[in-house]
Amino acid sequence: VQLVQSGPEVKKPGESLMISCQGSGYRFPNYWIAWVRQLPGKGLEWMGIIYPEDSDARYSPSFQGQVTFSVDKSISVAYLHWSSLKTSDTAIYYCARGDEGSPLGGPFDSWGQGSLVTVS
Amino acid sequence: ETVLTQSPETLSLSPGERATLSCRASRALANIVLAWYQQKPGQPPRLLISASSIRAAGIPDRFSGSGSDTDFTLTISRLDPDDFAVYYCHQHGHSPATFGQGTRVEL
Repeated sequence: VQLVQSGPEVKKPGESLMISCQGSGYRFPNYWIAWVRQLPGKGLEWMGIIYPEDSDARYSPSFQGQVTFSVDKSISVAYLHWSSLKTSDTAIYYCARGDEGSPLGGPFDSWGQGSLVTVS
Repeated sequence: ETVLTQSPETLSLSPGERATLSCRASRALANIVLAWYQQKPGQPPRLLISASSIRAAGIPDRFSGSGSDTDFTLTISRLDPDDFAVYYCHQHGHSPATFGQGTRVEL
């Protein structure tokens, strides 16, 4: 099982951004993908999950309306999208594989390497 | 949301010593929805324990999890130099899922 995320990004406030997470080594459509934020020097925050088979997405209230999850199951890639970045979005964003049978996706047994997003 | 409070914030110990990390939930959790992760600097988190007490694949048996209801514990029986890291508990039973703020185990 491997999740490989897209590289670091430097953006300006107000710009849009999409980062990606490609899964391999398992049946990608049948496991939740979670997105987790880590602000600089801080802890982990659950942003939400998406089920690649049917694109069922569930967002934390803290992130609802701020980001959008999507997937292309044909190429085993999940995406995290911002339409208008803020400086407060500067963070590392992780994707993680969840448990297909869990309504909130956890626990997360495999993680991407993280994508650093800098908004300045 | 379900708040997870970890204590202590920092644990200063030596190799070979026992580490006991606490995670207290603001509401009762089923054992199956409580997990623990380890994170080292510059690395993603790694799953250690799921369902409160089940070690993930490849996790040494010096790591153990216990607890129920609102109180959960991660124990490292004898600290290895590789174990100095930050540890997070995580609940995925009540929406939104949440993480504790972390406990740093330092030398």
